[in-house]
Amino acid sequence: AQTVTQSQPEMSVQEAETVTLSCTYDTSESDYYLFWYKQPPSRQMILVIRQEAYKQQNATENRFSVNFQKAAKSFSLKISDSQLGDAAMYFCAYRSAVYGQNFVFGPGTRLSVLP
Amino acid sequence: GAGVSQSPSNKVTEKGKDVELRCDPISGHTALYWYRQRLGQGLEFLIYFQGNSAPDKSGLPSDRFSAERTGESVSTLTIQRTQQEDSAVYLCASSLFGRSGANVLTFGAGSRLTVL
Repeated sequence: AQTVTQSQPEMSVQEAETVTLSCTYDTSESDYYLFWYKQPPSRQMILVIRQEAYKQQNATENRFSVNFQKAAKSFSLKISDSQLGDAAMYFCAYRSAVYGQNFVFGPGTRLSVLP
Repeated sequence: GAGVSQSPSNKVTEKGKDVELRCDPISGHTALYWYRQRLGQGLEFLIYFQGNSAPDKSGLPSDRFSAERTGESVSTLTIQRTQQEDSAVYLCASSLFGRSGANVLTFGAGSRLTVL
């Protein structure tokens, strides 16, 4: 079974600075998807960014980018120019491309943004 | 609908009572998931529905938990004889099913269950 690990339970960053959240996963599959979800205090989970494993190019969404290292099974999230609204729990998730497979979530990293 | 709708948003119940939590997915989303999130914890998978296929119930923690889904619409998660350990936020999510662009989960705001 696939597993997702986030080794940083908590992180903090100064406003306007850059922070990187780590995620590693374990799988024997070659085709899959990886996601970062954000859960602010309102508890509404929001998709931040998505990466398809067969694409070598790292995904970017405005201030959010990933460093996808397939061989190392690593999928880190970089947040540039951090804003107070970025404070939230961040969950890394894996989904197999095989039909009918579930999403597997990591335990989350709580990010604080300091003014 | 425009988003995934869950009700009630908050439920307080007494130990031993049954509760029903409802999820109304985005129209056209064939896949529907239920997760449990205890305070300060990650997401714990409960059950997954995909179209007319048999649901994946592998995450249900005990036989007190059950869920139903009518076609590709509303789902109900039922917890019988609630225990204090059932206190958590129950999150529902839905998605299209397929390859490109379709694997994104859209979450509801969750139902917070408190068992006294």
